Amino acid sequence: DGGITQSPKYLFRKEGQNVTLSCEQNLNHDAMYWYRQDPGQGLRLIYYSQIVNDFQKGDIAEGYSVSREKKESFPLTVTSAQKNPTAFYLCASSNPYQASTNEKLFFGSGTQLSVL
Amino acid sequence: RKEVEQDPGPFNVPEGATVAFNCTYSNSASQSFFWYRQDCRKEPKLLMSVYSSGNEDGRFTAQLNRASQYISLLIRDSKLSDSATYLCVVSPLTGGFKTIFGAGTRLFVKA
Repeated sequence: DGGITQSPKYLFRKEGQNVTLSCEQNLNHDAMYWYRQDPGQGLRLIYYSQIVNDFQKGDIAEGYSVSREKKESFPLTVTSAQKNPTAFYLCASSNPYQASTNEKLFFGSGTQLSVL
Repeated sequence: RKEVEQDPGPFNVPEGATVAFNCTYSNSASQSFFWYRQDCRKEPKLLMSVYSSGNEDGRFTAQLNRASQYISLLIRDSKLSDSATYLCVVSPLTGGFKTIFGAGTRLFVKA
């Protein structure tokens, strides 16, 4: 079945440590996104990529980095510069070139990141 | 003012009840509207798109009022399994990076 796979499901970060969240999709989607969700708040966009080897900052990119070397993969690194990283992280993808689905986002199952 | 506003609830209703949620958006250029359902610590899942003519999917009815810039979701004959958070989602143009998510409305359906 096609879909988006995020790993790990739970992740713990020590102070000063960088951690990387994995996101892989086999939907053949060009666009991929990373969102952060905090309790009582809507999803906030961290980074997005509309095509391989290109990505753009979202609304809350500080303290995060991404890469898009392959169409299928869009890993997110939470760096030590992110002082409040505890949150639920969601990866999503979309295919803007299919008229019937171009605005719809398909989500991975999420990663809960906590600070030790 | 938030770009997409929802009443956070929680809405506590008995099984079989009808419940309605509203959502307002501030960008009049918005083009696409959706309701997503999210269970605790799970990913949001698309419940339905919202069209100006209104649309219905089983027990769920969505309406869009462009003049007043609000979207509604009506759930009839509530089931225990409807308990979840319902996210109002608005996109000003084609392209997921412009999608704005409301904070969600929490629904508890009780036996």
